[in-house]
Amino acid sequence: NAGVTQTPKFQVLKTGQSMTLQCAQDMNHEYMSWYRQDPGMGLRLIHYSVGAGITDQGEVPNGYNVSRSTTEDFPLRLLSAAPSQTSVYFCASSPGASGHRTDTQYFGPGTRLTVL
Amino acid sequence: SQKIEQNSEALNIQEGKTATLTCNYTNYSPAYLQWYRQDPGRGPVFLLLIRENEKEKRKERLKVTFDTTLKQSLFHITASQPADSATYLCALAYNQGGKLIFGQGTELSVKP
Repeated sequence: NAGVTQTPKFQVLKTGQSMTLQCAQDMNHEYMSWYRQDPGMGLRLIHYSVGAGITDQGEVPNGYNVSRSTTEDFPLRLLSAAPSQTSVYFCASSPGASGHRTDTQYFGPGTRLTVL
Repeated sequence: SQKIEQNSEALNIQEGKTATLTCNYTNYSPAYLQWYRQDPGRGPVFLLLIRENEKEKRKERLKVTFDTTLKQSLFHITASQPADSATYLCALAYNQGGKLIFGQGTELSVKP
């Protein structure tokens, strides 16, 4: 199993550009989520999904879109990048039977995004 | 709103000693509390989960306690090794199926 994979590892954008951060898992996990990690702030939940076709907002959803067309993939879209979105982004999945988001989270390696 | 506080200052200890990290929370007690380890440039890795009705959980050299009176969890690493050097995150969920809320993490450095 590859676990949770994320691409790209690093990305530099200019203000106003859009892009998609990719996330995939091969563990057949129901629950997937996106976090951002900033110095001194901890991990903050952006969006999450309890299964294919179902997504919901987390703590800091503004400026981001998600979709979940398959169990495996959960891409995060930045619509119009802003310097405030400079951060490290982590995708995570968990077995999440019945959408239990307290299950053990398996994290990807992260994408380091810089917006100029 | 719920707040989680972990020591923002790095913890430096000597190899072989016990490292103790603290996670404090405000307001009502979480249903679950998890501890994760994060190495530089990597994603967090799950270590232990403790429920609100459990006082203590152990796994090899790791021990987690949960005191709902003090609103605090302690994470202990006994016989610490330089390989234990990392940032340790606590995460709380306030109900069954609830969202995880992460603390900012405490950096541990174990010197040989």
